[in-house]
Amino acid sequence: QKEVEQNSGPLSVPEGAIASLNCTYSDRGSQSFFWYRQYSGKSPELIMFIYSNGDKEDGRFTAQLNKASQYVSLLIRDSQPSDSATYLCAPNTGGFKTIFGAGTRLFVKA
Amino acid sequence: SAVISQKPSRDICQRGTSLTIQCQVDSQVTMMFWYRQQPGQSLTLIATANQGSEATYESGFVIDKFPISRPNLTFSTLTVSNMSPEDSSIYLCSVVTGDSYEQYFGPGTRLTVT
Repeated sequence: QKEVEQNSGPLSVPEGAIASLNCTYSDRGSQSFFWYRQYSGKSPELIMFIYSNGDKEDGRFTAQLNKASQYVSLLIRDSQPSDSATYLCAPNTGGFKTIFGAGTRLFVKA
Repeated sequence: SAVISQKPSRDICQRGTSLTIQCQVDSQVTMMFWYRQQPGQSLTLIATANQGSEATYESGFVIDKFPISRPNLTFSTLTVSNMSPEDSSIYLCSVVTGDSYEQYFGPGTRLTVT
């Protein structure tokens, strides 16, 4: 089993819709969870982090965490074509080493 | 956050040669890391660059192939030695600032080995 599993996609949604990106992780010791966005040809950019069970909202982004199910998700409301990118899920198990998932490619159709 | 620069941004190198990539941060940071990202793949951690001591390498990466220096809290280098076409990749420097686990990435170095 991979340490971090994400659907590689592409996930295609129409403009204005909600995009739902999911991630499961294997290490129950994971405490911090990060979402990075990576545009083609660019380096990853941190967009959200969540430490506690439940939801965390930041603008159009909502991160959801369920540690019991070892599941973390990212919702993007009112999706825009500029949201088209690869989204990397990254749990941290303590210390400063973060494990990155393979990423989900999101395509928002105008 | 931090402003991170990498040099060179890209290079084309011949098999058997070496390339040193520099990473400069605009402020002192807690941790510095080197990653590799091959086309269509996710990030693979090469090593943690430790200030004033030897880097900590991940499984599958060795110091002879990827020597790393970190002389101070704002600068690090990664050398890709005796290159082969399989080393063609994007190499990324990342940092952690303060005592959080949030990582910030440099713009990357795109390496092509012919």
